[in-house]
Amino acid sequence: DIQMTQSPSSVSASIGDRVTITCRASQNIVNWLAWYQQKPGRAPNLLIYAGSTLQSGVPSRFSGSGSGTDFTLTISSLQAEDFATYYCQQGNSFPYTFGQGTKLES
Amino acid sequence: EAQLLESGGGLVQPGGSLRLSCAASGFTFSTFGMSWVRQAPGKGLEYVSTLLASVPTTYYVDSVKGRFTISRDNSKSTLFLQMNSLRPEDTAVYYCARDHSMGPPGKHVFDIWGQGTMVTVSS
Repeated sequence: DIQMTQSPSSVSASIGDRVTITCRASQNIVNWLAWYQQKPGRAPNLLIYAGSTLQSGVPSRFSGSGSGTDFTLTISSLQAEDFATYYCQQGNSFPYTFGQGTKLES
Repeated sequence: EAQLLESGGGLVQPGGSLRLSCAASGFTFSTFGMSWVRQAPGKGLEYVSTLLASVPTTYYVDSVKGRFTISRDNSKSTLFLQMNSLRPEDTAVYYCARDHSMGPPGKHVFDIWGQGTMVTVSS
């Protein structure tokens, strides 16, 4: 199975900050990677897929980059509603796997 | 608007069984692959199983193989997860999710999620 490792596990930031979260795959997944946002008590929400494609309705302050084994989620200017936990997921091969999550807090 | 609604969770003893259901609405259910993802209390997301739309092909994470069975009834736009021989480590919120293809076959992410149903395995 492909292992997904996110860093950091948690990050403290303030409104307006630029925030970067990284995700590393244990083998080449090309660009078959997604990012999700999850708020407490809620289902995850798809933000980005295919490494850098913004899901419909997601604010443009979110962006994704990377290929192969190393990927990045960037929030260009943090807003209050962005405090949440973020997960990466590889969609390259079954069984699909998620990173352990990055909690973004104030 | 595409929506998913899970049901069937509850408290079950170790070794017991449960059948989860996921009712879909707002989209053509039969044309989408569907999956289950779970989340243990205070933990991260774990992929469980997928049932493709075009061919009756299923995938499972190793920890549930031989115990869980995913199926669907397209006439009722409903996805199922039959869970047998349940273990305490199966305790989690179970989400059903719609597969979103990133292009080539087998390259999927999850674009629509239900609200989840809680399964607790305990004596």
